[in-house]
Formats: sequence, C-alpha cells, structure tokens
Amino acid sequence: QVQLVESGGGLVKPGGSLRLSCAASGFTFSDYYMTWIRQAPGKGLEWVSYISRSGSITYFADSVKGRFTISRDNAKNSLYLQMNSLRAEDTAVYYCARFSGVSGWFDPWGQGTLVTVSS
Amino acid sequence: SYEVTQPPSVSVSPGQTASITCSGDKLGNKYASWYQQKPGQSPVVVIYQDSKRPSGIPERFSGSNSGNTATLTISGTQAMDEADYYCQAWDSSLVVFGGGTKLTVL
Repeated sequence: QVQLVESGGGLVKPGGSLRLSCAASGFTFSDYYMTWIRQAPGKGLEWVSYISRSGSITYFADSVKGRFTISRDNAKNSLYLQMNSLRAEDTAVYYCARFSGVSGWFDPWGQGTLVTVSS
Repeated sequence: SYEVTQPPSVSVSPGQTASITCSGDKLGNKYASWYQQKPGQSPVVVIYQDSKRPSGIPERFSGSNSGNTATLTISGTQAMDEADYYCQAWDSSLVVFGGGTKLTVL
C-alpha cells in the first residue's frame, strides 16, 4: 500500500540545522509532486514547500524561504527537507505528502516527525 | 497573500447535519479540498476538487464551492466525525490552508 515515512526530527538549538527525510513506498515516486506541511503544537496546518516530479520546480512559504531547501532522489524514492537557521517558531510536526500537481490534493500524509527548536 | 478563513468551532448533535465554511476572495474560482484530523493522527483528505469524495470516505461527507465560500457538509453526523477540519486551496502556485475548525458532536 501507499506509505510515506518521515524521519530525521529531533531537538536542535536556535540557529542550527536539521535534515528531514521522507521514504516513499507502494507507488511510482517519480510520478508525483511531493510536499512538506507542518503543524506547530496545538496549532493548524501550515504549508512549507513542494517539489515537482523531476525536482526542477520548487516553491516555499515566505516563512521558510531562504532557510529551507527541498530535494528528492527518485532513485531512492526519497524526499528531503534541509532546514537551516532554525528558529523557535519552526518547532512543529513535519508531514510529507504526495499530490498529482498544482491544484491537486494531498494524499496520503506520512505520520510526521517532530522538530523542536530550543536552547 | 491569499487567505482562507474558517470558523474556529462548530457544534452539532448526533444525526444532524454539520456545515463547515471556508471563505476567501473568489474561492469559487479555485479548487478546494478538505482534510479531517483526529487527535494524534495525520490529516486525511475527505473532499477534493470541491466536491469529490475519495474511496473509503463515507457518503455523508459532501462539499460545494461557489462565490467566495466553500462548504463541507456532514449529513447524519456521527460521534466518530468529531475532529479538526481544514480547508485548503491554491493561490497561483502556492498552497493555502484555513485555520481549521473543531467539530464537536454533542
């Protein structure tokens, strides 16, 4: 079945870096756009970034632009989020999800990985 | 930047119809999707492209989108439908989520 499994979360100090991974299985990874969406504790969903099938197109929310980069390895069926210059407000559960393209919907979502930015 | 607005909370009695709205400028010209999130779980899409229901989602879930408002309707609401619901739309090439609505079934 279609499955997305995030990893790489943890505790990091403000200003630090972290790299999240999302391992995909059960579908042809290169046929789908992929996205990262986060949810701060007790808060709503916030879109972070997405990447096209080939990786040639990427978009970022203003809140992370210039600090986060998104990439993918279609040979490894994996999605990544490199997070630099982390701030306390980046503390959240980070979900990866797949979608068919712009104007598409996100399905399924992974189980999420928690990133905590604190000194 | 584009924004969509949801009521923070909606209450409904079991068996009754719940309606959750999502408002945004000319939202009817965009596709809206709806996600259900239960405590401790990842979000699940319940409506996509305004009114389409994924396989496995009960028929009591329906959606519409016109003018400035998209609406998620749950007919014959059950206790298991108690959850947070998020609308989502696209603004050009960017993704927008509503703030979420907590549906209480009491």
